[in-house]
Amino acid sequence: QKEVEQNSGPLSVPEGAIASLNCTYSDRGSQSFFWYRQYSGKSPELIMFIYSNGDKEDGRFTAQLNKASQYVSLLIRDSQPSDSATYLCAVNGPGGYQKVTFGTGTKLQVIP
Amino acid sequence: DAMVIQNPRYQVTQFGKPVTLSCSQTLNHNVMYWYQQKSSQAPKLLFHYYDKDFNNEADTPDNFQSRRPNTSFCFLDIRSPGLGDAAMYLCATSRVGHTDTQYFGPGTRLTVL
Repeated sequence: QKEVEQNSGPLSVPEGAIASLNCTYSDRGSQSFFWYRQYSGKSPELIMFIYSNGDKEDGRFTAQLNKASQYVSLLIRDSQPSDSATYLCAVNGPGGYQKVTFGTGTKLQVIP
Repeated sequence: DAMVIQNPRYQVTQFGKPVTLSCSQTLNHNVMYWYQQKSSQAPKLLFHYYDKDFNNEADTPDNFQSRRPNTSFCFLDIRSPGLGDAAMYLCATSRVGHTDTQYFGPGTRLTVL
């Protein structure tokens, strides 16, 4: 049974600070990892994906993957009030075509 | 722009009255998914199509059916909606490959009266 665990939050950070969102997963064979942002009442929007150990940066966002620890994180630098949303971690499995398992998400609140 | 489109964005139905939600995509992706998402919960996969092959999740109620008449379109039919079926229904697509990234449509908010 694949499981993806996230702290539901809310995680509150002041504007301009770094927000750190964490996710652990149980399937050691997982290969691809995704972060989605979901505003209230809207659909998930892809922020980043990562499949190699280490860091991947895209603008203010950095995804970090540690397969040995089964841990993936998302850092948001210079947090803005517009970043306030729920962040969903999603994980898929080994090889080709697979479904993803979503975490329940972490709610981020950026305080002006 | 290539995208995933869902119609309608909001659907109100009565208890037991069949409803159909639609999804179309211009991404030419070979996999299409239907998810149900309730408040503060993770999206729950109902079923998906890999090309024409239908894959039902074991815990998806029989009340939910799906059709994919061609690559671009996929439909979700709820035969007899109950109050517990009120939710956001999300369509997503992906192209089979190493990352299998899923791209979501805007969703359809279903209200059951």
